[in-house]
Amino acid sequence: KAGVTQTPRYLIKTRGQQVTLSCSPISGHRSVSWYQQTPGQGLQFLFEYFSETQRNKGNFPGRFSGRQFSNSRSEMNVSTLELGDSALYLCASSASPGETQYFGPGTRLLVL
Amino acid sequence: AQSVSQHNHHVILSEAASLELGCNYSYGGTVNLFWYVQYPGQHLQLLLKYFSGDPLVKGIKGFEAEFIKSKFSFNLRKPSVQWSDTAEYFCAVKANFGNEKLTFGTGTRLTIIP
Repeated sequence: KAGVTQTPRYLIKTRGQQVTLSCSPISGHRSVSWYQQTPGQGLQFLFEYFSETQRNKGNFPGRFSGRQFSNSRSEMNVSTLELGDSALYLCASSASPGETQYFGPGTRLLVL
Repeated sequence: AQSVSQHNHHVILSEAASLELGCNYSYGGTVNLFWYVQYPGQHLQLLLKYFSGDPLVKGIKGFEAEFIKSKFSFNLRKPSVQWSDTAEYFCAVKANFGNEKLTFGTGTRLTIIP
């Protein structure tokens, strides 16, 4: 089975721009979670989607949003980028909420 | 809210030494526990997990962890480390009911000296 895939792998943006990241879960997995990983804060939970519905949301500002499509693929969007948004954004999929999460390689975002 | 503490931020060991990485969580209810590993340049991989049953769980690459409920701990162990174990290790916890998210510790960087 193919693992979790994330596109793009690397991204450079400037302050004020917006960005959309994509995640394709493992085939058959219906739950997708997003995390932000930085050296200072570690892995911070952004949100979790299951069956196209957001089940849970972390403590991030409204500039961070996401959605899930009927094929379980998910996107996250960050608007009005700030320097502090530079991070590795990880997507994880699981068969259903509560099951073991499997992580993708991440998208490394650099905001200049 | 649940939280996870990994007290060792950076551990340096020689090859063949024994390893124990600490993980403590704070949550009063029933939890699922995980250890993930991130090798240099690679993505997070599941090392082992505990959902229920035998509190001593074995994972990949010779790692094991013991869940001690009275101590709220889930320490990771390996009797003899190899240079290839150099990586960052993350402990994570999730309440096994409700909408609780998967919460990670800050990670422990392990450096193995050949």
